[in-house]
Amino acid sequence: RKEVEQDPGPFNVPEGATVAFNCTYSNSASQSFFWYRQDCRKEPKLLMSVYSSGNEDGRFTAQLNRASQYISLLIRDSKLSDSATYLCVVTKSPIAGDMRFGAGTRLTVKP
Amino acid sequence: NAGVTQTPKFRVLKTGQSMTLLCAQDMNHEYMYWYRQDPGMGLRLIHYSVGEGTTAKGEVPDGYNVSRLKKQNFLLGLESAAPSQTSVYFCANRDPNTDTQYFGPGTRLTVL
Repeated sequence: RKEVEQDPGPFNVPEGATVAFNCTYSNSASQSFFWYRQDCRKEPKLLMSVYSSGNEDGRFTAQLNRASQYISLLIRDSKLSDSATYLCVVTKSPIAGDMRFGAGTRLTVKP
Repeated sequence: NAGVTQTPKFRVLKTGQSMTLLCAQDMNHEYMYWYRQDPGMGLRLIHYSVGEGTTAKGEVPDGYNVSRLKKQNFLLGLESAAPSQTSVYFCANRDPNTDTQYFGPGTRLTVL
């Protein structure tokens, strides 16, 4: 079983739609959680951290459920520019080499 | 600021050839990483370093070696390339205060 699992998609949604991704992790000792965005043939870039109480950044909302060991990302009012692959990342900070990446969920927003 | 840079951007090797990938940072972070990314697999950690002169193995270290002689540079070496090493290689550093990783643009390597 992979340490971090994501639905690979693809998710194809129209502009303006709301879309949600989930990510499950297997290590209950995980402490830090992130969503990264990766555009086609580019490097991953941090989208947002995920805090225990949940957090919002504009149209993006991230939530953590420690009991069920999953994190989620909600995108409201999807834009064409949101088309990308979204990577879930889990780490047992502050151990240096412990970051684990999901394989990513691909999102395409269509006009 | 350039952030994290990688050279080369593309490379084609024949089986058995060797090469070195260079990663450089101007962000002064202690932690640096080398990952490979393959379709459907996500990023997998090859080796990492917690500071100048230190290196450690990650999830998939076999067939690779690394060196961190200077804080700003992290080198990844392939001594005898194999087709299974065809991949996209990303270097990254890590801000210990936020756990954020900053990635280089990647190196696309094909081994024939």
